[in-house]
Amino acid sequence: EVQLVESGGGLVQPGGSLRLSCAASGFTFSSYDMHWVRQATGKGLEWVSAIGFAGDTYYPGSVQGRFTISRENAKNSLYLQMNSLRAGDTAVYYCARAPRGSGNPDYWGQGTLVTVSS
Amino acid sequence: EIVLTQSPATLSLSPGERATLSCRASQSVSSYLAWYQQKPGQAPRLLIYDASNRATGIPARFSGSGSGTDFTLTISSLEPGDFAVYYCQQRSDWPYTFGQGTELEIK
Repeated sequence: EVQLVESGGGLVQPGGSLRLSCAASGFTFSSYDMHWVRQATGKGLEWVSAIGFAGDTYYPGSVQGRFTISRENAKNSLYLQMNSLRAGDTAVYYCARAPRGSGNPDYWGQGTLVTVSS
Repeated sequence: EIVLTQSPATLSLSPGERATLSCRASQSVSSYLAWYQQKPGQAPRLLIYDASNRATGIPARFSGSGSGTDFTLTISSLEPGDFAVYYCQQRSDWPYTFGQGTELEIK
């Protein structure tokens, strides 16, 4: 059974940092692209970052230079390092897997809540 | 950035009725358009990819059509579990983007 379990969310002050983790199981992690997608309470979905199976990374302008996605295939783990956090980054962050090059995540974790507030 | 506009924002229908949801892209996305279903407190679920292909385990009552800038998700006969929020998503160009969602509610 495919499982994606996020952790590392919590309350952080504006300007602070947080590292999210996603533990994957039930599939060959190294063969899949991985994504982070966020959702503010009551709002829609927003792509945060993506990393290909080969390690290529992608970010939208809203987080470019502040967020870093990485993966550790030996540990079946995905990470998101978030720096210079802003109130607008407050959201549930989902980890999701996608078949190589598909751009369409087919399995998602249950999400971890990040709250940026003083 | 490609903007996806979904309509209507809210659709009120009864079980057994047919639902038609629309998604329009600000520029052509070819057939690189997907649809997701999201229920309260849950993660999104992939329904349709590449405009018209059903994802694994998705019932045949869900179908997608369209290409270029105009796309449609059709649910042929609504079941109680189909009432949720539906999002379209493009993978034609980075950053990938979602529409703002259509809420399908019970009439």
